[in-house]
Amino acid sequence: AQKVTQAQTEISVVEKEDVTLDCVYETRDTTYYLFWYKQPPSGELVFLIRRNSFDEQNEISGRYSWNFQKSTSSFNFTITASQVVDSAVYFCALSPDTGGFKTIFGAGTRLFVKA
Amino acid sequence: GAVVSQHPSRVICKSGTSVKIECRSLDFQATTMFWYRQFPKQSLMLMATSNEGSKATYEQGVEKDKFLINHASLTLSTLTVTSAHPEDSSFYICSARPSGLAGPYGSTDTQYFGPGTRLTVL
Repeated sequence: AQKVTQAQTEISVVEKEDVTLDCVYETRDTTYYLFWYKQPPSGELVFLIRRNSFDEQNEISGRYSWNFQKSTSSFNFTITASQVVDSAVYFCALSPDTGGFKTIFGAGTRLFVKA
Repeated sequence: GAVVSQHPSRVICKSGTSVKIECRSLDFQATTMFWYRQFPKQSLMLMATSNEGSKATYEQGVEKDKFLINHASLTLSTLTVTSAHPEDSSFYICSARPSGLAGPYGSTDTQYFGPGTRLTVL
């Protein structure tokens, strides 16, 4: 089965707090891609990161960082020193090799950052 | 960067009418485009894969006669919601995969998403 689980439906933090969004995926494919997208209230999806299954290096981009652990099939996303503008729905997604790399989205985590 | 547009961004129509939504890749060619549907406070669900010059591949449970997809050129795919009903009201998002892109592991899954179309059927 190909599946993405984002167990946290909603998270609420106060500005400047760090927050981690969890993502667990399931796939039998050895070749796949993992993504994180941000969806602000406007609805447009904003691409944040893509990671392929052969690259387990963690990545940092400004206040954003990602932790990819194949051993636990997780691809967690941390926002450091959160800001009000980070408030949005965040989706983790999986594109497995089987089926032509169609994208499977998790249910999303709604993040509220209060001033 | 690669840009995908959708038109219209918002449409309100009466029950029973048909609505066409366009998805265009503005600065690249896309052999493959995808159509997603998103209900309020829910995730994106893939409806169909649109391939230029051939029939679309629909996901299980999606009515192909209800949601007509045409991918007539390498830069344009259209989704027509036929005889729309209130339950078809949703946010429809397309994405496009650039043609000819091959990563080190064969085909790559770089998809560029459109801004979405909000359909309201009265």
